[in-house]
Amino acid sequence: TQLLEQSPQFLSIQEGENLTVYCNSSSVFSSLQWYRQEPGEGPVLLVTVVTGGEVKKLKRLTFQFGDARKDSSLHITAAQPGDTGLYLCAGARSSNTGKLIFGQGTTLQVKP
Amino acid sequence: GAVVSQHPSWVICKSGTSVKIECRSLDFQATTMFWYRQFPKQSLMLMATSNEGSKATYEQGVEKDKFLINHASLTLSTLTVTSAHPEDSSFYICSASLGGPAKNIQYFGAGTRLSVL
Repeated sequence: TQLLEQSPQFLSIQEGENLTVYCNSSSVFSSLQWYRQEPGEGPVLLVTVVTGGEVKKLKRLTFQFGDARKDSSLHITAAQPGDTGLYLCAGARSSNTGKLIFGQGTTLQVKP
Repeated sequence: GAVVSQHPSWVICKSGTSVKIECRSLDFQATTMFWYRQFPKQSLMLMATSNEGSKATYEQGVEKDKFLINHASLTLSTLTVTSAHPEDSSFYICSASLGGPAKNIQYFGAGTRLSVL
């Protein structure tokens, strides 16, 4: 059972376009992380959201945590080829010992 | 941010041999480290949680005798793939948690590409 549904799984767009990646769950998370991974490398932490309704911005990336802390979104404005990579959302349950539940990942390709 | 070093980055071995992968937290102490396996264009699959000074906790379906984990210090965890076979070929990634209030934030190593011939 996939506890964190991430969509879309694959996305190919032209440079300059906007896009949104979604992570949805029926479970409540105490926090949710977004990571970006390039081929042959480990995931790199982009942001952590903790409070329901929280919005965080990282340059052209906007992250939002749902009011009920069951879902999150990543919006990229004016995508660039350097944004190409695998984006992963990962949620932490309040009862665990640090284990993260990962979404399926979104492979993003931005064409110049 | 916290730095996690993973070594080696790439290893090729013959079927039947054992391979050890090291994961080190360079600038912080990590009481908990995690080992993941990743297939091409897929998400991370948690294999086990490594706790300093105690036995690792393995996820369902992961053979503990096949994937030996040792967390002997607060900065080092090792994963040994014993009697490796071609089906063990994969990308293995470790992560470490800062613990405390930041226990849910994991910092990842660069991964190890294992190819078993």
